Amino acid sequence: DTGVSQDPRHKITKRGQNVTFRCDPISEHNRLYWYRQTLGQGPEFLTYFQNEAQLEKSRLLSDRFSAERPKGSFSTLEIQRTEQGDSAMYLCASSISGSSSYNEQFFGPGTRLTVL
Amino acid sequence: GNSVTQMEGPVTLSEEAFLTINCTYTATGYPSLFWYVQYPGEGLQLLLKATKADDKGSNKGFEATYRKETTSFHLEKGSVQVSDSAVYFCALTGVAGGTSYGKLTFGQGTILTVHP
Repeated sequence: DTGVSQDPRHKITKRGQNVTFRCDPISEHNRLYWYRQTLGQGPEFLTYFQNEAQLEKSRLLSDRFSAERPKGSFSTLEIQRTEQGDSAMYLCASSISGSSSYNEQFFGPGTRLTVL
Repeated sequence: GNSVTQMEGPVTLSEEAFLTINCTYTATGYPSLFWYVQYPGEGLQLLLKATKADDKGSNKGFEATYRKETTSFHLEKGSVQVSDSAVYFCALTGVAGGTSYGKLTFGQGTILTVHP
């Protein structure tokens, strides 16, 4: 059983370039989440999908950010015209939605983005 | 909105010392509460959880009790080991049907270092 995987693990880019990250969730999980974590802080919610539907986006997610999950399996997070403030660890998590009061989220190792 | 406040770190202890990391929260209704751990070089892992008032979550010798009256979920361990050195995050998620259901709100994290 493989866990959540993310690619690439590290990305260095120049300001103004576009970058795209990929997340592969645990195969039977229908929910997929993106979080951003800056140094010394806890992760902050960005957006989440149930199957292929994007159900919520944080106000943190500017118009330069877009996420997709076209077939309800893997997801991509694209950042256009990157800024130095976008430098962070981008985390993906997945879970199974259900009738219980919570759904445990399993996290991937993250993609560390550095914008020069 | 929901928020989580953790005691400021870092925390440095000797092996076999008693550990407490304080966590308080602000949320509507009855959230589910979690402690996540991030070991060096690894992704976030769920350590323990509690889904209703007075529940006690426990795992690997760690415990935390959901205290509705004080809106707290303090993490404790009676005897820490060097291998417990990690970053610990307190988090919450709303109940099913609520606007914050599913997405996690994290505290800022507490770095724990245990010396032999």
